[in-house]
Amino acid sequence: DIQMTQSPSSLSASVGDRVTITCRASQGISNYLAWYQQKPGKVPKLLIYAASTLQSGVPSRFSGSGSGTDFTLTISSLQPEDVATYYCQKYNSAPITFGQGTRLEIK
Amino acid sequence: QITLKESGPTLVKPTQTLTLTCTFSGFSLSTSGVGVGWIRQPPGKALEWLALIYWDDDKRYSPSLKSRLTITKDTSKNQVVLTMTNMDPVDTATYYCAHRNWGGNWFDPWGQGTLVTVSS
Repeated sequence: DIQMTQSPSSLSASVGDRVTITCRASQGISNYLAWYQQKPGKVPKLLIYAASTLQSGVPSRFSGSGSGTDFTLTISSLQPEDVATYYCQKYNSAPITFGQGTRLEIK
Repeated sequence: QITLKESGPTLVKPTQTLTLTCTFSGFSLSTSGVGVGWIRQPPGKALEWLALIYWDDDKRYSPSLKSRLTITKDTSKNQVVLTMTNMDPVDTATYYCAHRNWGGNWFDPWGQGTLVTVSS
């Protein structure tokens, strides 16, 4: 089965910073990758699918890139409301797999 | 507007079978491309995909849990049911159901989740 590894596991950044989270697949998955945001105590929310397509209603400061095995989620200018845990998910075929999550805090 | 809601017991005993129901609105599971998935999250831990059922009744399961899981749908009731046998305390988690879009196996939106505790 394909494993998804996120890095870092946690990070702290200042408001206005550019933040990048990485997700690596153990085998190539083309662009079959989604990103989710889960705020504390809340339900996961879809941010990006097909590696780089922004879900409707998601702020444009979020962007995704990558293909094959290496993917990134970027927040261009960190806002206080972005405090959350972020998960990548591969979906090219079953089994569907999530990364272990990246916890993002404000410095 | 698509909504989903999970229902079922909040407490089960070890070795018992868990039955969870996902009741949804805003879409039909008879529409081509549509699906409903189940995902769980132990307290303080990561998301774990469990199962997915498609409009054509095709089903997919997590390999590590496949022997314990069954997913079914009742299109007329707009419901999807997940059963998990032989529950163990490590299965304590919030269980979510979520809508699978026609475009691919990503999930949006998710239900509110239901916390299931396994304890004697």
